[in-house]
Amino acid sequence: DTGVSQDPRHKITKRGQNVTFRCDPISEHNRLYWYRQTLGQGPEFLTYFQNEAQLEKSRLLSDRFSAERPKGSFSTLEIQRTEQGDSAMYLCASSFSGGELFFGEGSRLTVL
Amino acid sequence: RKEVEQDPGPFNVPEGATVAFNCTYSNSASQSFFWYRQDCRKEPKLLMSVYSSGNEDGRFTAQLNRASQYISLLIRDSKLSDSATYLCAFKRVSNFGNEKLTFGTGTRLTIIP
Repeated sequence: DTGVSQDPRHKITKRGQNVTFRCDPISEHNRLYWYRQTLGQGPEFLTYFQNEAQLEKSRLLSDRFSAERPKGSFSTLEIQRTEQGDSAMYLCASSFSGGELFFGEGSRLTVL
Repeated sequence: RKEVEQDPGPFNVPEGATVAFNCTYSNSASQSFFWYRQDCRKEPKLLMSVYSSGNEDGRFTAQLNRASQYISLLIRDSKLSDSATYLCAFKRVSNFGNEKLTFGTGTRLTIIP
């Protein structure tokens, strides 16, 4: 499968715990995006990388959120001290230089 | 005013009917326009781009009205398999000079046999 892959697909955690999601983009894609989607809403932009550089972060991304793309390939999104309001689907997408965006299947987070 | 406004529906439409959705945007700097389809508990997938002159792909027609700042999607001869959520999306250059895709809330469509 050469699409965008995300891991884990589902994560249930207790409030206050840290969680980390991984995204492997399509191999030749230089741009990688993280979005968050809650029920009944469209995807909301969180952050964006071009190669290894994080070029923009949404105000939605509090200090508890951090994203990295250390070698310009895979990316991780970490949420520290999770809160119930963090429960959502976290979507990763990639593109080549602003072309079509391809999404992964998402990582669904439930914070109890 | 929200950056993107889209009627969430639901639209319940009999099979074979024609259905249309609109999506308005507030930022006149929006440069590119798209319709995405999202099936239940799946990721969004690009349905079609929207061009200034309007474009058609089989039973689907997309239109752009820059003066009134909206895009539309028309589905003719609707099929059961068209049941999904349809998301409009706009790409513009952000304040940081980066391209950013902004999505609407989605319109839920159910085709009834």
